[in-house]
Amino acid sequence: EAQVTQNPRYLITVTGKKLTVTCSQNMNHEYMSWYRQDPGLGLRQIYYSMNVEVTDKGDVPEGYKVSRKEKRNFPLILESPSPNQTSLYFCASSLFGTRNYGYTFGSGTRLTVV
Amino acid sequence: DQQVKQNSPSLSVQEGRISILNCDYTNSMFDYFLWYKKYPAEGPTFLISISSIKDKNEDGRFTVFLNKSAKHLSLHIVPSQPGDSAVYFCAASARTSGTYKYIFGTGTRLKVLA
Repeated sequence: EAQVTQNPRYLITVTGKKLTVTCSQNMNHEYMSWYRQDPGLGLRQIYYSMNVEVTDKGDVPEGYKVSRKEKRNFPLILESPSPNQTSLYFCASSLFGTRNYGYTFGSGTRLTVV
Repeated sequence: DQQVKQNSPSLSVQEGRISILNCDYTNSMFDYFLWYKKYPAEGPTFLISISSIKDKNEDGRFTVFLNKSAKHLSLHIVPSQPGDSAVYFCAASARTSGTYKYIFGTGTRLKVLA
């Protein structure tokens, strides 16, 4: 089944403790992206990657890092999480050069930073 | 600056009636639009899209209308069913730096009453 898999689904952590949210897709998509969803703000892009070793900032990149060493994986790294990063996170992927169907999204990771 | 706006955070409709969800945008460079549906604890899923060369696109019970002069699009669901109860996001894209970036609205929560 074609899908985007995120782990973990739920995470509670403490301020300053480094964490990684993994994202993997099995559709051979070149384009991958991370979004966060917050009440009243919709989905905002954090980082995106157009292919292996090519990443760029989205609209809200502060406090986050990403890497794209393999085509299928695009982990989101929070080096020193803070409470304002408490949010619902979505990884998404798409086939580069086509936008007919937009993104395929993962099921989300609900992060709470205390 | 919110480039894509969904001014109604919520909407309630009786089963069998029409649901109309609205979306406004400000960037005249947007030329492709999508609607996503999101159930709780799941990622958004693609519903329907429309290119700026069209003013209407239909898929079963779902129709999207685009009014370019007003920078407005709407999603009509006829007839509405309880299973349509979800959050609906509109998204707009323009070609940027060799790829397509999607800007999402804040979402409208639709509740279809049985």
